Amino acid sequence: DAKTTQPTSMDCAEGRAANLPCNHSTISGNEYVYWYRQIHSQGPQYIIHGLKNNETNEMASLIITEDRKSSTLILPHATLRDTAVYYCIVPQGSGNTGKLIFGQGTTLQVKP
Amino acid sequence: NAGVTQTPKFRILKIGQSMTLQCTQDMNHNYMYWYRQDPGMGLKLIYYSVGAGITDKGEVPNGYNVSRSTTEDFPLRLELAAPSQTSVYFCASRRTGGADNSPLHFGNGTRLTVT
Repeated sequence: DAKTTQPTSMDCAEGRAANLPCNHSTISGNEYVYWYRQIHSQGPQYIIHGLKNNETNEMASLIITEDRKSSTLILPHATLRDTAVYYCIVPQGSGNTGKLIFGQGTTLQVKP
Repeated sequence: NAGVTQTPKFRILKIGQSMTLQCTQDMNHNYMYWYRQDPGMGLKLIYYSVGAGITDKGEVPNGYNVSRSTTEDFPLRLELAAPSQTSVYFCASRRTGGADNSPLHFGNGTRLTVT
């Protein structure tokens, strides 16, 4: 079973920041958090991942709480093309070498 | 680098037929995965492999077999196709070990219909 909990759906106005939360309360000390998104029936697209520190790349920012039990993916200026299903994933099994189970994710609808 | 390559892109099978979905990666990744995605649903892990000669079951392994004889290749075998196996199949790979672990790299998928 997935070790993460995400809201089923969210809306965001175009041009505004989209903040997508994820709960991973059972995460262990050396497990990374990965975020992917999937647009229509395309293959999932990697967005960002992190361990403890906040991370930023050209697509998004990842904020991880100090206790590492939750994280938030931030799309700073959402566009209509960001409408997709967003998945937060934590590897299962020992360390970072376990299974990668996708939950149901959050369907983000960006509205004009 | 081609990344993760899946063949075929599309396939129609009759009930009871068998086929192999091919997956190869040229990134020297040690881990490889097979997922299926039914219409409107999330991805389900079928099998995964942590290296050549080692495979393990995922969430939905029934009706499938895998092998990993080389680092590059991870074929998925359907022995007796059933309508319930109509789905889009994604292969993925990643590198693990060291100070960081890479994210999953996905292929473009194989759309399989069983009638």
